[in-house]
Amino acid sequence: NAGVTQTPKFQVLKTGQSMTLQCAQDMNHNSMYWYRQDPGMGLRLIYYSASEGTTDKGEVPNGYNVSRLNKREFSLRLESAAPSQTSVYFCASGVYGYTFGSGTRLTVV
Amino acid sequence: AQSVAQPEDQVNVAEGNPLTVKCTYSVSGNPYLFWYVQYPNRGLQFLLKYITGDNLVKGSYGFEAEFNKSQTSFHLKKPSALVSDSALYFCAVRDDRGSTLGRLYFGRGTQLTVWP
Repeated sequence: NAGVTQTPKFQVLKTGQSMTLQCAQDMNHNSMYWYRQDPGMGLRLIYYSASEGTTDKGEVPNGYNVSRLNKREFSLRLESAAPSQTSVYFCASGVYGYTFGSGTRLTVV
Repeated sequence: AQSVAQPEDQVNVAEGNPLTVKCTYSVSGNPYLFWYVQYPNRGLQFLLKYITGDNLVKGSYGFEAEFNKSQTSFHLKKPSALVSDSALYFCAVRDDRGSTLGRLYFGRGTQLTVWP
């Protein structure tokens, strides 16, 4: 089925560990996005990529890096995880509205 | 700057009654507006959008939304609520400016609970 695929679905990290969240879309969209969702905060944009080879910071980029590997894939990296990064992370793609992935629930202990 | 406000954190309604989830927006340029729904432990799903044309937009699962330019509102409505409509609802506005073209700005979400 066409859509946005995120991996992993769940992850527990220790403070200071690193990890990469993977996202791939098969809808030929130029634009891709990474959001985090926290209770009462709605969705906050971390980074986005308007096209292959470009990335830009969103509202809450500190502590994260991204790579737009090709048109399909947009990864999010936590270099040194902190408890404040405990959240649910969503990848999305699209221009006139988004298609969302199913999310990654990350806990940093 | 683009922004969306959802003034109610929670909306409670009895099954069979009409429901309204409120959204107001602020945008420079043309307002492209969206509603998404999130069921527990799931990603966000598209419900409906307003780009241009008729002010009453019909979407999935019997939902509709009314665009009101003078009141800068885009309220989500359903004539008869179902228990299965209980979920978290997000309103969003699209940025149609230059380098940030296509980015969506989301409200904080409204938790809808429909009780039997």
